[in-house]
Amino acid sequence: QKEVEQDPGPLSVPEGAIVSLNCTYSNSAFQYFMWYRQYSRKGPELLMYTYSSGNKEDGRFTAQVDKSSKYISLFIRDSQPSDSATYLCAMGGFQKLVFGTGTRLLVSP
Amino acid sequence: DTGVSQDPRHKITKRGQNVTFRCDPISEHNRLYWYRQTLGQGPEFLTYFQNEAQLEKSRLLSDRFSAERPKGSFSTLEIQRTEQGDSAMYLCASSLAAGVRTNEKLFFGSGTQLSVL
Repeated sequence: QKEVEQDPGPLSVPEGAIVSLNCTYSNSAFQYFMWYRQYSRKGPELLMYTYSSGNKEDGRFTAQVDKSSKYISLFIRDSQPSDSATYLCAMGGFQKLVFGTGTRLLVSP
Repeated sequence: DTGVSQDPRHKITKRGQNVTFRCDPISEHNRLYWYRQTLGQGPEFLTYFQNEAQLEKSRLLSDRFSAERPKGSFSTLEIQRTEQGDSAMYLCASSLAAGVRTNEKLFFGSGTQLSVL
């Protein structure tokens, strides 16, 4: 079993929809949780950073961490075609980050 | 450009050749990471440095792979006797960690795409 599980998708939604992306993990030592966006043939771009549990909001993006369930989510409101990309969850303790496989999101106009 | 810089962007080599990649982190960052990513997968950790010290290496990193970070600035990743299975995107990332018992935002470069023929 992988330390971090993420549905690879693709997830197809119409423009304006609310998107929900999720990851589960098995390592209870993880304290740092991040979401990255990656366009084809580019490096990952940091979207959200959370320490421990709770919610964090930044514009159209909301990140949630539930450590008791070992479950993290990223919500995208009013999705745009430019949001079409692969979304990677990443998490870790004091050293390296472990990544999910990424969920490919397609937002159609 | 003050982001993480990687060179070259693309590298095509023949099996058995040696290749070297360079990464220049964000200038004030003390941690530098190397990851490898294949198509349809998330980045896999290879190794990381805090300043010039290499603190962890993945079991994925065979003895054909070596990384250095002289003087805690730029880093190089060398692959000797390349194999077709080494074909991947090699990503470098950096962060500013306050100490060993902390973690901070990782910022990635654009990667080096390696193709081994």
